[in-house]
Amino acid sequence: DSGVTQTPKHLITATGQRVTLRCSPRSGDLSVYWYQQSLDQGLQFLIQYYNGEERAKGNILERFSAQQFPDLHSELNLSSLELGDSALYFCASSRDGAAYNEQFFGPGTRLTVL
Amino acid sequence: GDSVTQMEGPVTLSEEAFLTINCTYTATGYPSLFWYVQYPGEGLQLLLKATKADDKGSNKGFEATYRKETTSFHLEKGSVQVSDSAVYFCALRGFNAGGTSYGKLTFGQGTILTVHP
Repeated sequence: DSGVTQTPKHLITATGQRVTLRCSPRSGDLSVYWYQQSLDQGLQFLIQYYNGEERAKGNILERFSAQQFPDLHSELNLSSLELGDSALYFCASSRDGAAYNEQFFGPGTRLTVL
Repeated sequence: GDSVTQMEGPVTLSEEAFLTINCTYTATGYPSLFWYVQYPGEGLQLLLKATKADDKGSNKGFEATYRKETTSFHLEKGSVQVSDSAVYFCALRGFNAGGTSYGKLTFGQGTILTVHP
C-alpha cells in the first residue's frame, strides 16, 4: 500500500458525459501528479500540482482540468468524454517537486467510456 | 524533448533464468532514472533508481547502472522467480531549459515479463 488513495476504482460512463476522479496523497506529501495509461499512448504525464498551485502541464486535453484543494487532495475533471478517453488514470504524490524525490502511485481509476 | 525507449516485449522466461530488459533514453543534462514495476491490478511501485552517472540502483535482486556514455539504464536480475511476473517501466525525470528539475516522469512503453515455473 503506497498510502495514495484514488476513488472510484472503476467508472463506466457514456460519451459526452463528465466525470470527476479523486486522489488523496500520502500524508505530508505536497505534490500531486496525474498520469494516463492507455494501450495506444502508454503512460503519459497529464499535470502536476504543488501545494495547491499548478506546477507543470503535460499532454492534457483542454476538456480535462484538475485542481488541488487546501487539504491537498486533488481532483481530475474529464468532460465531453470520448471513446478514446477510456484508460487507467493514476495519481502519484511526492514530498515536493524535486527530481530525486520518489513518486508514490495510487492504484488507479479505470475509466470506460461507452 | 525527453524520451525513453524500452526493449520490445513480452519477455517469457523460466524460473531462475537471467533477465535483462534494455532501456535507453534521450534527455538534456543529467536526468534521474527509475525502474517501476506494475503487478496485475495494481499501481506502479518504484523498484530502483539512480540519480547520477555510474550510480547503480538495486532492490530485491534487481540492478541497473546509469550509463551516461551509452544513455542507458538496463535492468538485470540474475535469477528470476514466478513472483517477478509483472510489467516493468523505465522512466526518467529531467530538467527544463532553464536547468531546473521538474517533477514529471517520462515513461517507456513497458515490458511485460512472464516467468514460468
